[in-house]
Amino acid sequence: AQSVAQPEDQVNVAEGNPLTVKCTYSVSGNPYLFWYVQYPNRGLQFLLKYITGDNLVKGSYGFEAEFNKSQTSFHLKKPSALVSDSALYFCAVRDTRNRDDKIIFGKGTRLHILP
Amino acid sequence: EPEVTQTPSHQVTQMGQEVILRCVPISNHLYFYWYRQILGQKVEFLVSFYNNEISEKSEIFDDQFSVERPDGSNFTLKIRSTKLEDSAMYFCASTAGHTGELFFGEGSRLTVL
Repeated sequence: AQSVAQPEDQVNVAEGNPLTVKCTYSVSGNPYLFWYVQYPNRGLQFLLKYITGDNLVKGSYGFEAEFNKSQTSFHLKKPSALVSDSALYFCAVRDTRNRDDKIIFGKGTRLHILP
Repeated sequence: EPEVTQTPSHQVTQMGQEVILRCVPISNHLYFYWYRQILGQKVEFLVSFYNNEISEKSEIFDDQFSVERPDGSNFTLKIRSTKLEDSAMYFCASTAGHTGELFFGEGSRLTVL
C-alpha cells in the first residue's frame, strides 16, 4: 500500500527567503506525485504534479518540486517566499502498480511566512 | 472555469440520523472521490468511484457509508446512522483520468451532536 510522509508539522520562513516543504513516499510501482495547498476554510487547490519525464516540475504561484527516485522524495520549493504563501500544504501519491485509483495524502505541513 | 460543487456547506445533525452529502463533479470527469478532514488536519481517503461502481475504499468506509451516482451528474455520500466521530469536513473530488490531478469542492462541514 502506498504512503506519504511529511516530516514537518510546521515550517517557518522569512519573506523573501527560499522555502522547502519536505515529502517522502512509498509505493509498490511507480508513483504519480502531487502537491496541493489549502487556505483556511477552503478546499484543496492543485499546485503541481509529477507523472513522468523531467524530475523538476514547475507549478502554480512560482512553486516547483523535484522528484528524486533514489531518495523517494518530492520536496516542494520556492526561491522567494511571499507572506501570501502561508497555508497548509499537502503532498499526495498514487501508486501506478495495479492501476490503483486512490490518491493518498500526507498529514500536511503548515507553512508560515514571516514578514 | 469548471468546478466541483458541494451541498450543503454545513450540516448539523443528531447522532443516529442519516445524512446525505451531495456533489456535482466536473462534467467530463470519470473518477470521483470522497475524502474527509477532521479539524483541519490530515486529509483521509474514503472512497473512489469509477464506471458506476466503487473502485476502492478505505477501512473508514464501513457499512454505514454508501455512495451513489444516481443521475449521471450528482455524486452523493450517505452516512446511515451518524456517530459523533463522523464530525468532519467532507470533500468531494473528481479527475478526468489516471494521470490527472484531483479537483476538489469547497467541502461540506458535518457536525454530529
